[in-house]
Amino acid sequence: EIVLTQSPGTLSLSPGERATLSCRASQSVSSSYLAWYQQKPGQAPRLLIYGASSRATGIPDRFSGSGSGTDFTLTISRLEPEDFAVYYCQQYGSSLRPWTFGQGTKVEIK
Amino acid sequence: QLQLQESGSGLVKPSQTLSLTCAVSGGSISSGGYSWSWIRQPPGKGLEWIGYIYHSGSTYYNPSLKSRVTISVDRSKNQFSLKLSSVTAADTAVYYCARAALGIAGYYYGMDVWGQGTTVTVSS
Repeated sequence: EIVLTQSPGTLSLSPGERATLSCRASQSVSSSYLAWYQQKPGQAPRLLIYGASSRATGIPDRFSGSGSGTDFTLTISRLEPEDFAVYYCQQYGSSLRPWTFGQGTKVEIK
Repeated sequence: QLQLQESGSGLVKPSQTLSLTCAVSGGSISSGGYSWSWIRQPPGKGLEWIGYIYHSGSTYYNPSLKSRVTISVDRSKNQFSLKLSSVTAADTAVYYCARAALGIAGYYYGMDVWGQGTTVTVSS
């Protein structure tokens, strides 16, 4: 099983600031198989990024993803009030290994 | 627009079987290029993938739950289901169903449609 470790656990920032979230894998993950989700309290997760760097439909361009191998990053260029939420990375294991999520990074208002 | 809706028992006694259904509307579960997953989230914790099924009926389960999990599909009703046996308090969670989009050569487009989630509590 591939373990995804996200850091930091909590990020305290102000609206307008830049957020950089990290996701590190215990072994190499194909960029094609790495996704990011946003979850707000009481809501289901929402797909933000797939293929490590492609934005899902309707996702604003202030969200961007990058990385390869074992290190991936989600960047929010300028935080809007609605961006304060928990973010999860996730790797797709196909039918070869379990799909796994990172433990999440909470982006909170400073 | 495709929508997913979970339903099922909200309260399950320890050692019994949890049963949930995910109804698919606005599209067909038999459409190629998708798998259909269950994911859960214990209170205050992160997300755990449980397993998936294709419209063909082929499945893959999280090894940590494999001995207790069954996911099935009912194409005539356009829905898929989850059964989790021998439940304990540790199985208390919000359970989500979700669609994963897959492309050529296995490219993964992420879990792009989610149900709203249903809370299952295991308690006597």
